[in-house]
Amino acid sequence: DSGVTQTPKHLITATGQRVTLRCSPRSGDLSVYWYQQSLDQGLQFLIQYYNGEERAKGNILERFSAQQFPDLHSELNLSSLELGDSALYFCASSSKEGLYAEAFFGQGTRLTVV
Amino acid sequence: GQQLNQSPQSMFIQEGEDVSMNCTSSSIFNTWLWYKQDPGEGPVLLIALYKAGELTSNGRLTAQFGITRKDSFLNISASIPSDVGIYFCAGQAGRTGTASKLTFGTGTRLQVTL
Repeated sequence: DSGVTQTPKHLITATGQRVTLRCSPRSGDLSVYWYQQSLDQGLQFLIQYYNGEERAKGNILERFSAQQFPDLHSELNLSSLELGDSALYFCASSSKEGLYAEAFFGQGTRLTVV
Repeated sequence: GQQLNQSPQSMFIQEGEDVSMNCTSSSIFNTWLWYKQDPGEGPVLLIALYKAGELTSNGRLTAQFGITRKDSFLNISASIPSDVGIYFCAGQAGRTGTASKLTFGTGTRLQVTL
């Protein structure tokens, strides 16, 4: 158990809908990162937050947004969902900014868009 | 987005055999990491490398940070059935901002037969 909790584990929704994925980092970790993993794309970095502030952005679609709350949990919002958004979404947390060696991944949320 | 080239894509080996896989990039990274992902789980960090030429071991695993900073190697000695999974390399260019994001390799799927 990495200590990073992601909910829900599975999500099935229709095209055009909006969903929210939640991540609770390890106790004391200030950094949260979101990754998307699909069969043909591997693990793609989406966005990083540190202590509530956005720190780095990857190839995140405009339909996607995220935030980190004062209690340090983070949410990834996916809207106007398309079939191609079906993937595993992982969050990882780290105690420091930018030091990925200490990044621990959650078990992921499997999103299926039908 | 950018991905690191990892080879081989998959390998079938017998229990007790040694395994080698590598990861190459067109650009320089200052940190190389190796993760293992089991089905339905998030990636788990195996080894972190911080210095060009560095050779680091973790039990039966040994990884090296290439001298050019554009590649890394992972060796597994005396493989056992629980080594089955997908191994990912990941590189980090810097410590802050966008440079701190992890760029993942395409993965090596390892299967071990008895």
